[in-house]
Amino acid sequence: GAVVSQHPSWVICKSGTSVKIECRSLDFQATTMFWYRQFPKQSLMLMATSNEGSKATYEQGVEKDKFLINHASLTLSTLTVTSAHPEDSSFYICSDGDRDQETQYFGPGTRLLVL
Amino acid sequence: AQSVTQLDSQVPVFEEAPVELRCNYSSSVSVYLFWYVQYPNQGLQLLLKYLSGSTLVKGINGFEAEFNKSQTSFHLRKPSVHISDTAEYFCAVSEIDGATNKLIFGTGTLLAVQP
Repeated sequence: GAVVSQHPSWVICKSGTSVKIECRSLDFQATTMFWYRQFPKQSLMLMATSNEGSKATYEQGVEKDKFLINHASLTLSTLTVTSAHPEDSSFYICSDGDRDQETQYFGPGTRLLVL
Repeated sequence: AQSVTQLDSQVPVFEEAPVELRCNYSSSVSVYLFWYVQYPNQGLQLLLKYLSGSTLVKGINGFEAEFNKSQTSFHLRKPSVHISDTAEYFCAVSEIDGATNKLIFGTGTLLAVQP
């Protein structure tokens, strides 16, 4: 069964509003979680590494003030898209990074549509 | 730095025919290799992985892949495909002994199985 969950599975919001996406590691305390973004018909691009109890590590070109990541507990990481714009519309997927030392397990994804 | 190349963006195939999805990688260090499958509007599911040992790896749903170090390839194969195998397939690598198991993905190959 699924080992990582995401909520919501899809969300539609108005331009300028903020949206929070939750990623939960089920039955495992994950100190590291990853956030990816996937545009239509494209591959997954790593946005940031979420570290429990410390600041997230962002990939080059990803605005940390726009994509706020909070990993306040060992089972929950959140991604908040602040002041969302239509170009932020995408499929956001998280994974837990240390359940298995070598393998990431992915959540079902959250589709964001900004109008 | 690592990179992953999936030359075929789309592979059409008839049901019950064999299929091979190609993956080549580039890395200055040793890597782990993965194949993930993504069904429409869903997250990624691990098909198989190569960590060490036998270069022929068997995964779920009848898929297998062979690691070829000299050709830096990790092609995915299935002897007889089903309609239900229609999905996007991603090859990925991560650095052995890296600080985190950060994944680098290829651009994906759409396997389109036709009746």
